[in-house]
Amino acid sequence: KAGVTQTPRYLIKTRGQQVTLSCSPISGHRSVSWYQQTPGQGLQFLFEYFSETQRNKGNFPGRFSGRQFSNSRSEMNVSTLELGDSALYLCASMRDRNTEAFFGQGTRLTVV
Amino acid sequence: DQQVKQNSPSLSVQEGRISILNCDYTNSMFDYFLWYKKYPAEGPTFLISISSIKDKNEDGRFTVFLNKSAKHLSLHIVPSQPGDSAVYFCAANRGGGGKLIFGQGTELSVKP
Repeated sequence: KAGVTQTPRYLIKTRGQQVTLSCSPISGHRSVSWYQQTPGQGLQFLFEYFSETQRNKGNFPGRFSGRQFSNSRSEMNVSTLELGDSALYLCASMRDRNTEAFFGQGTRLTVV
Repeated sequence: DQQVKQNSPSLSVQEGRISILNCDYTNSMFDYFLWYKKYPAEGPTFLISISSIKDKNEDGRFTVFLNKSAKHLSLHIVPSQPGDSAVYFCAANRGGGGKLIFGQGTELSVKP
């Protein structure tokens, strides 16, 4: 059974640009969540999508957005990139409520 | 406000001994707790979880204990192996959705 797949693995962008990250969940998982990991802030929840609807949202500015498609694949977009957006972005999928979340390998975003 | 806290940034144990990793939380509404193991630049790997209706859950060498009155959970690894060396995160969830609140992590080092 394939795991959670995130693409690309690495990205370098310039301040002010925008970026789109992709996540393919485990087959049959309808919930996809996104997290940001930085050395100073640890793992922080961005948002969760379930059946193409945003179900939960963290405390991030509106520059961070996402969406989910009918096949449960999800994308995350960050507009007007700032240096502080440099981080490891992780995607997780869940089969159902109160089940474990499985994480992808992450996308390492560097903003220069 | 750090709702989930892992107060020990690091822990060192001898191979074959028990490793005990601790986690405290402040939100009494959390009802599902998980432990993850993580290597640098990779996604977290799920280890074990526990629902708030239980006080113990075992899976092989891993046991999680939950003390709701103290708002404390711990992960026991017995026996510890060098391959267990990694950063361990506890996470809490309310209502079963995909929003996980993570602690800051404890780096475990198991010495041969």
